[in-house]
Amino acid sequence: DAGVTQSPTHLIKTRGQQVTLRCSPISGHKSVSWYQQVLGQGPQFIFQYYEKEERGRGNFPDRFSARQFPNYSSELNVNALLLGDSALYLCASSEQIIYNSPLHFGNGTRLTVT
Amino acid sequence: TQLLEQSPQFLSIQEGENLTVYCNSSSVFSSLQWYRQEPGEGPVLLVTVVTGGEVKKLKRLTFQFGDARKDSSLHITAAQPGDTGLYLCAGVVGGTSYGKLTFGQGTILTVHP
Repeated sequence: DAGVTQSPTHLIKTRGQQVTLRCSPISGHKSVSWYQQVLGQGPQFIFQYYEKEERGRGNFPDRFSARQFPNYSSELNVNALLLGDSALYLCASSEQIIYNSPLHFGNGTRLTVT
Repeated sequence: TQLLEQSPQFLSIQEGENLTVYCNSSSVFSSLQWYRQEPGEGPVLLVTVVTGGEVKKLKRLTFQFGDARKDSSLHITAAQPGDTGLYLCAGVVGGTSYGKLTFGQGTILTVHP
């Protein structure tokens, strides 16, 4: 069975540019969450989407946006990139958003902003 | 302020030794998970604990959830080089959805042969 897939795996952008990251959840999973993991730290919650609706947002600026499509895949957009946006961006999917529905993480997109 | 404090941040031990990683918070969590992450990969769920005082065992790994659901520990018996990795605790604060995890900063474990 295919796990959570993310694309691209690596990306290099310059300050001020915009980036779109993509995530395909496990088949049958309706919830997608996005996390940012800076080197040496634990992941930090950015967004959660369930059934195409935003269900939660972390403490990130409005430069960060996301959406979920009818097939439950998702995109994370970051505008006006800053050096501090360099991180591993992780996508996680789950069947539901109740507490006993485990999260399955993809291997992430490594974004480097120069 | 880190909502979940993990200790130690770094752990370097010899094969066969035992170790314990701690995860502490001032907040009550409705559930708490432990993940293991290897370089270049996403975190992989090891266990979920939901009941205060709960103890779960996964082969040589023992997980405990504090009675007040504010802390947890991971104990590894007879560590092996294959246990090397980043161990993360993550919790769901009561009342929020499950996908909105709060992670600790992680413990980097290195087990030397």
